[in-house]
Amino acid sequence: GENVEQHPSTLSVQEGDSAVIKCTYSDSASNYFPWYKQELGKRPQLIIDIRSNVGEKKDQRIAVTLNKTAKHFSLHITETQPEDSAVYFCAAGGGAQKLVFGQGTRLTINP
Amino acid sequence: ETGVTQTPRHLVMGMTNKKSLKCEQHLGHNAMYWYKQSAKKPLELMFVYSLEERVENNSVPSRFSPECPNSSHLFLHLHTLQPEDSALYLCASSQDGRYGDEQFFGPGTRLTVL
Repeated sequence: GENVEQHPSTLSVQEGDSAVIKCTYSDSASNYFPWYKQELGKRPQLIIDIRSNVGEKKDQRIAVTLNKTAKHFSLHITETQPEDSAVYFCAAGGGAQKLVFGQGTRLTINP
Repeated sequence: ETGVTQTPRHLVMGMTNKKSLKCEQHLGHNAMYWYKQSAKKPLELMFVYSLEERVENNSVPSRFSPECPNSSHLFLHLHTLQPEDSALYLCASSQDGRYGDEQFFGPGTRLTVL
C-alpha cells in the first residue's frame, strides 16, 4: 500500500521568511495530493491540493510542486505570518486509492 | 449548524464501558469517514462509507463498530476499549467516495480511556 513520509517534523522560521515542507510517496498510482492545515485545537482544513496532471499550483502565498518521477511533492509558504503557525499534513491517494497522510509538520512562525 | 459536527467533543470512559460517537454532515455529501489522530502519529483512516455502504475497513479492531444509517449521519460504537485507544477521533465527509475529493473534517471527539 501507499506510504507517505513527511519532513521536517518541526520547522521554525522568522516572520516574513519562506517555509518549505516536503513529502515523498511510494505508490505511483496515487494521483491526488492535498495539504491540510490544523491549528491548535481545531479541525484539519484543506489549504491546497494538486493532481498528477500538473507540476505546480499556486494560491496567493501558498504553492505546491509535484515531481511524479521522483514521487515527491512540496508545500511552499512565502512571506510567512504568525497565523501560518499550525501543523501541516500532506496526503497522497486518489481514484480508488485511499488517502494516506504524512506524519505532520509543526510550523512555528517567530515574530 | 453547518459543515460537519461531532458529539460529544470530549469523552472519558472506562475499559468496560460502551459509548458511541456521533457525526453529522450538513453538506449534502455522499461519503463519510472516521479517522484516528494520536499524538505524534499521522491521521489513520479507520472506516469509509459511500452512500451508506461501508467501502473501507482499515484493519480496525472489532471493539470499534461503525454505523451509517443514512448519508448524513455516522456513528462509531465503542466497547471494551484499551488505554491505547485514547486519541482524537475525527469524522470527515466528501462529495462522493472517490479519494480525489476534498474531505471536510469535523472538530473531533477527544477520547480518554481509563
